[in-house]
Amino acid sequence: NAGVTQTPKFQVLKTGQSMTLQCAQDMNHEYMSWYRQDPGMGLRLIHYSVGAGITDQGEVPNGYNVSRSTTEDFPLRLLSAAPSQTSVYFCASSYSISDAYEQYFGPGTRLTVT
Amino acid sequence: GNSVTQMEGPVTLSEEAFLTINCTYTATGYPSLFWYVQYPGEGLQLLLKATKADDKGSNKGFEATYRKETTSFHLEKGSVQVSDSAVYFCALLQPGANNLFFGTGTRLTVIP
Repeated sequence: NAGVTQTPKFQVLKTGQSMTLQCAQDMNHEYMSWYRQDPGMGLRLIHYSVGAGITDQGEVPNGYNVSRSTTEDFPLRLLSAAPSQTSVYFCASSYSISDAYEQYFGPGTRLTVT
Repeated sequence: GNSVTQMEGPVTLSEEAFLTINCTYTATGYPSLFWYVQYPGEGLQLLLKATKADDKGSNKGFEATYRKETTSFHLEKGSVQVSDSAVYFCALLQPGANNLFFGTGTRLTVIP
């Protein structure tokens, strides 16, 4: 049981490049989410999903796309990276949206956009 | 709106010292309150929670009491260990919502 896995661990992008941050969980959790963590700020919710085929926006969705084709995977796409997207990104999952407080977090992806 | 304010870090303590990390919140109604811990190189883990006023959450020797009159949820531990070195986040969740509101985090370093 690997829990929540994220790849890559580190990434450097140039402004305007695109990339996908991968997230997978093997706990059969319905609820998955993406957060970003910035210095001097708490984690902020980007997008979330309550099950395969269902996604919705969080607090800071602009510049990011998500999809959920399977229960296990919830990739986060940056279509045209900007320096403001330099951050640490965490994926998390829980059994259901009502258990959102008890989410299992991945180890994070540190992204730098130059 | 909803917000969480934590004491600025970093906090450095000697082993066996007493720990307090302050957390206050702004919210309407009756949110649930949480402390999360992030060990180096890992994601956040739920440390403890309290869902109503005067509830005390506890885990691994850490405690926090939900004080509605002072809108606070301070984290305490009587005797810290080197293994407690981590970043601690206070958070709140409104009933029926899924968006956790996090504080900025407080880095704790415990030295032998």
